[in-house]
Amino acid sequence: EVQLVESGGDLVQPGGSLRLSCAASGFTFSDYCMSWVRQAPGKGLEWVANVRPDGSEKNYVDSVKGRFTISRDNAKHSLYLQMNSLRAEDTAIYYCAREALTAVTPYYFDYWGQGTLVTVSS
Amino acid sequence: QLVLTQSPSASASLGASVKLTCTLSSGHSSHAIAWHQQQPEKGPRYLMKLNSDGSHIKGDGIPDRFSGSSSGAERYLTISSLQSEDEADYYCQTWDTGWVFGGGTKLTVL
Repeated sequence: EVQLVESGGDLVQPGGSLRLSCAASGFTFSDYCMSWVRQAPGKGLEWVANVRPDGSEKNYVDSVKGRFTISRDNAKHSLYLQMNSLRAEDTAIYYCAREALTAVTPYYFDYWGQGTLVTVSS
Repeated sequence: QLVLTQSPSASASLGASVKLTCTLSSGHSSHAIAWHQQQPEKGPRYLMKLNSDGSHIKGDGIPDRFSGSSSGAERYLTISSLQSEDEADYYCQTWDTGWVFGGGTKLTVL
């Protein structure tokens, strides 16, 4: 059974940092691109960042470029999101999501975690 | 830029059927999309990938009550024999030069 379990969410002050983790199981983690997707309170879903299976390429939504860093450790079956210079507008539930194996676009997510809450407030 | 448009809300009675719509913006009518369900206080769940010809690939364990179809730029999710646990937000999603989500439809089961 595929499982994605996020952790690390917390209350943090503006300008602070936080590191999220996602523990993956039930599949060959090193075969898949992985993403972080967030959801602000009462709002819809927003893709944040993704990383290729070998970690060689990383992509970010413009609003987090230069502040967030996505990474992975295939030996530990884990995905990470280092979040620096946090702002109030980063307040959201952050989901880890697996990108389906597909040779053609469009890409899509086929598994999601339960999310971890990040609150940025003084 | 590709945009996905969904009605904010929908409602249907227990045991009935409902058809949710996701509309692709002009020039993108051949795009496939994915449907995701988000029950209250839970993470999203992948339902299916839906192609422009109506063929679809369902996620693991998705009941036969959930089906997809397409017409032009519209992608549909039909849920039959509605159950209380189907009350949820439903999002369509695709990828063009970047990741795109629709605004979501909140389904109320009466």
